[in-house]
Amino acid sequence: GAGVSQSPRYKVAKRGQDVALRCDPISGHVSLFWYQQALGQGPEFLTYFQNEAQLDKSGLPSDRFFAERPEGSVSTLKIQRTQQEDSAVYLCASSPQTRTGVVGYTFGSGTRLTVV
Amino acid sequence: AQSVTQLDSQVPVFEEAPVELRCNYSSSVSVYLFWYVQYPNQGLQLLLKYLSGSTLVKGINGFEAEFNKSQTTFHLRKPSVHISDTAEYFCAVSAPSGGYNKLIFGAGTRLAVHP
Repeated sequence: GAGVSQSPRYKVAKRGQDVALRCDPISGHVSLFWYQQALGQGPEFLTYFQNEAQLDKSGLPSDRFFAERPEGSVSTLKIQRTQQEDSAVYLCASSPQTRTGVVGYTFGSGTRLTVV
Repeated sequence: AQSVTQLDSQVPVFEEAPVELRCNYSSSVSVYLFWYVQYPNQGLQLLLKYLSGSTLVKGINGFEAEFNKSQTTFHLRKPSVHISDTAEYFCAVSAPSGGYNKLIFGAGTRLAVHP
C-alpha cells in the first residue's frame, strides 16, 4: 500500500483481556518499529524488526508484551492480560533501509488502546 | 545513551507571528536529529532532519531548524505561523546501534496558533 496501515484504529479492552494490534508496513520495507505513546508523552521505543528477525526488544515493558513478524511483512503486537497502564497509542513505523537516519521512517496512524 | 528535552510543553502564538520550539539533546556520539509533527489522531510526519553538513536545515511547511553542536540544541523555527500549524511537535535523536537506528523522542511541544 501507499502508507503504513494499522488496525484497529481504536480498541477498548477489559482489564485482563488479551489484545492483538496489526501493522501493515509499506511493501518491501526492511525495517519495522513499534512505539508506545502514552497520553501527553512522546513515543517510546518498544521493539525493532529487520525483515522477520526481531533484533531489539529492549523497550518491551514486560513479558506480557510480544511482537512477531513471521514473514518479514505484516507485524503483530500482542499484549496479554492487559492492565490500565497499557492504555496508550501504539505506533508502527517502517523504513526501506536499516540505516533509517538516511531515509527516515514512515509512521502509521496508530492504534489507540484503552483498558477499562 | 541519548536523550532529548523539549523545554516547553505548550507554546501559544498568534497567527502570522514567528515561533521557536526549543530542543536540547544529549549524546556521547554523533547523532542524527529530527523534528516530527503530529496532527490530532494521526501518526508522525517528518518535518526536517539533520544528518550532516550545513547546520541550517530547511523542511516542509516553511519550517527550519539549526543544529548547534556546542550547545547541543536543535531548535525549530518558523517566521510566520498559520492556524493550520496547530499540532504537537516532537524533537528526536537517533544514533546508529547494532547496524540500525532507533529514534528517541522528546515529550513534545503543543503549538497553539490563535487568530
